[in-house]
Amino acid sequence: NAGVTQTPKFRVLKTGQSMTLLCAQDMNHEYMYWYRQDPGMGLRLIHYSVGEGTTAKGEVPDGYNVSRLKKQNFLLGLESAAPSQTSVYFCASSYLDRQGDIQYFGAGTRLSVL
Amino acid sequence: KNQVEQSPQSLIILEGKNCTLQCNYTVSPFSNLRWYKQDTGRGPVSLTIMTFSENTKSNGRYTATLDADTKQSSLHITASQLSDSASYICVVRKGDDKIIFGKGTRLHILP
Repeated sequence: NAGVTQTPKFRVLKTGQSMTLLCAQDMNHEYMYWYRQDPGMGLRLIHYSVGEGTTAKGEVPDGYNVSRLKKQNFLLGLESAAPSQTSVYFCASSYLDRQGDIQYFGAGTRLSVL
Repeated sequence: KNQVEQSPQSLIILEGKNCTLQCNYTVSPFSNLRWYKQDTGRGPVSLTIMTFSENTKSNGRYTATLDADTKQSSLHITASQLSDSASYICVVRKGDDKIIFGKGTRLHILP
C-alpha cells in the first residue's frame, strides 16, 4: 500500500517551459488536492477534485491546470512556468469518515523555475 | 476573515522536556480541527482530528485540546524525542467547504 505517490520528486525548469506533475493514490479516495507550500506561508490550495472527471479551483489556481481522468490519478500542469511558481507542491487525497476527512499527503515535488 | 494563527513560530527545547503549541482560529462555521506533523522534506501526516464536541484527544505522547468557545486549540507533547523535531500544522475546516491551514510551528528538539 503506497498511499499517495508524487512524481517527479525534483524538477528544474526554465521560464516558459511546461511540465506535468503526477499524483497517484491507491486508497480509492474520492477527493484529491494540489497544494503549494512556500516559506513562511501555510499550504495553499491550487485545485481540487471531488471525484473522477471533476475539478475545481482552489485559492491560487492561476497558471495551473488539472485533470482527473482516472479516480486514482490527479495531474497538475504548468503550461508556461514562471519564477513565481518555484515552490514545493503537495498532492493529497481524502475520504470522509465519522470524524470528518483526513487528508493523506504525498512526499512533495520540489520545483525550481529559473 | 477566516484565519488560523499558530504560536510560537518556532520553538527549541531539550530532549525529554514537554512543550505546548498553540492554535487560534477565527473560522466560522467550524467543522473540525486537525493537527499535522510535517518532517523536513516530507508531506504532512495527521496526528489528531477533533470535532466541536471533543475537548481532548491523545495520540501517544501527543495530546490535543480544543476550546470551541474561545476558538483555541493546543498540542501538548510529552517527554519529547529527537524524532519530534518537525513542523506542526493546525488546520481548520470551515463548514463543508474550505480547509484553512496555519503557517505551522517549527519545533527543534536538542539532545
